[in-house]
Amino acid sequence: DTAVSQTPKYLVTQMGNDKSIKCEQNLGHDTMYWYKQDSKKFLKIMFSYNNKELIINETVPNRFSPKSPDKAHLNLHINSLELGDSAVYFCASSLPMGSGANVLTFGAGSRLTVL
Amino acid sequence: TQLLEQSPQFLSIQEGENLTVYCNSSSVFSSLQWYRQEPGEGPVLLVTVVTGGEVKKLKRLTFQFGDARKDSSLHITAAQPGDTGLYLCAGDSGTYKYIFGTGTRLKVLA
Repeated sequence: DTAVSQTPKYLVTQMGNDKSIKCEQNLGHDTMYWYKQDSKKFLKIMFSYNNKELIINETVPNRFSPKSPDKAHLNLHINSLELGDSAVYFCASSLPMGSGANVLTFGAGSRLTVL
Repeated sequence: TQLLEQSPQFLSIQEGENLTVYCNSSSVFSSLQWYRQEPGEGPVLLVTVVTGGEVKKLKRLTFQFGDARKDSSLHITAAQPGDTGLYLCAGDSGTYKYIFGTGTRLKVLA
């Protein structure tokens, strides 16, 4: 059973298009995240949701719009894709803050290539 | 802005050698984690350290959290090809915001 699953794993698209990446976790976690990993492997947080509510928006352009229909799902929609959006996007989940030292469980990543 | 600098950035060693990876920050973290990431996969947690000065061992891997909770190190004894991967430290600022380090790419040659 995959704990955090993302789809699609690979996405190749043209500049200006709109695309979505879906994420689901079956761990019963309340908190979910989107991270972006660039070509230098630097992993940067984009968004964090706790029980469907946005709690972190790390100065991400408003072309990126996360949506959490329920606490097991966190999708990422990107409008008007730009070359600089090419990266690997990781979804992760964790228990809520205050649950002790927390552990992030990551999905396998979605590699987005914008041409 | 909180930053975690890792050194070295790249490391290529022979099987059986020892190595140490460092993770440094000017910020204090409530806990610090180490992850390993393999190609095509997401990072996987190796260990969490919480108390300043804490040392944890995981088989051939030894993790230490600095006394001031601003830095950490990962020491691998007798490295094996299976240890190859990207090692990432991550600081927990306590506000749902894990700050990841710049990463260390380790390659262990047989």
